[in-house]
Amino acid sequence: DAKTTQPTSMDCAEGRAANLPCNHSTISGNEYVYWYRQIHSQGPQYIIHGLKNNETNEMASLIITEDRKSSTLILPHATLRDTAVYYCIVRVGGDDMRFGAGTRLTVKP
Amino acid sequence: ETGVTQSPTHLIKTRGQQVTLRCSSQSGHNTVSWYQQALGQGPQFIFQYYREEENGRGNFPPRFSGLQFPNYSSELNVNALELDDSALYLCASSGTSGWNAYEQYFGPGTRLTVT
Repeated sequence: DAKTTQPTSMDCAEGRAANLPCNHSTISGNEYVYWYRQIHSQGPQYIIHGLKNNETNEMASLIITEDRKSSTLILPHATLRDTAVYYCIVRVGGDDMRFGAGTRLTVKP
Repeated sequence: ETGVTQSPTHLIKTRGQQVTLRCSSQSGHNTVSWYQQALGQGPQFIFQYYREEENGRGNFPPRFSGLQFPNYSSELNVNALELDDSALYLCASSGTSGWNAYEQYFGPGTRLTVT
């Protein structure tokens, strides 16, 4: 079973920041937080991952709370192409990934 | 650098038949994982292969089996197909070194329909 809880769906206006929350209250000290997204009928795409520090790359930012029990994925300027299902996963590197149902993000014009 | 490829793209089989799905891993990756994704659900882990050995398995029956070859490509075999096996089958490859170690790169999937 997935070890994370995410809202089922969210909407965001095009050009605005999309903030996707994830709860992982039972995360272990050696588990990383990974984010993937899946655009309709395609394979999941890696976005970002982190252990305890905030991370940023060309796609997104990942904010992890100090107690590591929750995190937020931030897409700074959402576009229509960011419409997808976003998955938050916690895992030790090398372990299999347990996907939940994810959050269906819809970016609206 | 080539990405993860899977074949075939689509496949239709009859209940009771056997099927083989293929995956070519990304260059430099030595680990391949297979997932089953039913319509409207997240991917479910089937098993993982590392250097030609099974390295972990999800809650799938033995009729789901796999192979990994010396070039790290992989096959997923499903025997005695059931209607519930209809799904998108995803392959993901990963490496074991560097900051991006274990980051999984997914292929486009094979859509299997069992009638």
